[in-house]
Amino acid sequence: EPEVTQTPSHQVTQMGQEVILRCVPISNHLYFYWYRQILGQKVEFLVSFYNNEISEKSEIFDDQFSVERPDGSNFTLKIRSTKLEDSAMYFCASSDRDSTEKLFFGSGTQLSVL
Amino acid sequence: GDSVTQMEGPVTLSEEAFLTINCTYTATGYPSLFWYVQYPGEGLQLLLKATKADDKGSNKGFEATYRKETTSFHLEKGSVQVSDSAVYFCALSDRRRTSGSRLTFGEGTQLTVNP
Repeated sequence: EPEVTQTPSHQVTQMGQEVILRCVPISNHLYFYWYRQILGQKVEFLVSFYNNEISEKSEIFDDQFSVERPDGSNFTLKIRSTKLEDSAMYFCASSDRDSTEKLFFGSGTQLSVL
Repeated sequence: GDSVTQMEGPVTLSEEAFLTINCTYTATGYPSLFWYVQYPGEGLQLLLKATKADDKGSNKGFEATYRKETTSFHLEKGSVQVSDSAVYFCALSDRRRTSGSRLTFGEGTQLTVNP
């Protein structure tokens, strides 16, 4: 079965550094998402992306965050200057045009900001 | 805004026991409701869904019924197995959105099934 892959599985960085989290969505999907889960809290929506632009973003997704689909297969989340509170598990997801409500999630990138 | 509340967990059961995980929601629109499951080391997977009142979603022996009058979507299974041990997330999606699906999740419930 096709799956969403995320790399790396763990990322450790220093506060203030830039990080890029990478995702390869399922190949024929058109909608792409980033969610995050801070330890002990709910999974939260960050952003959705369709037709090469952001279609919706949450209040969490401020100017420090950006997303990009640099080629036909990758979908990235960049955090420009990481803060301690950015430490979380970040999940990428994708869905297709005919079933936008069925999201396929990757196994996540655990980001630790020191 | 929209929100989802799950029963406070974790839940520990013996094999073949009956499972209920409670989920209630608040939504301004008319949402679709979901249960996602996360097995150790894996991503969240859609377990079942329901899109309108009184719909019952079912998969792998799990069931949940969309109850609009009680704003609930409780997950049930008649006889759990050790392989059902995972984290279960209740979620909703506002169907009025046309630009993909923004899910609102509950807290997640860790289920452990002992042999």
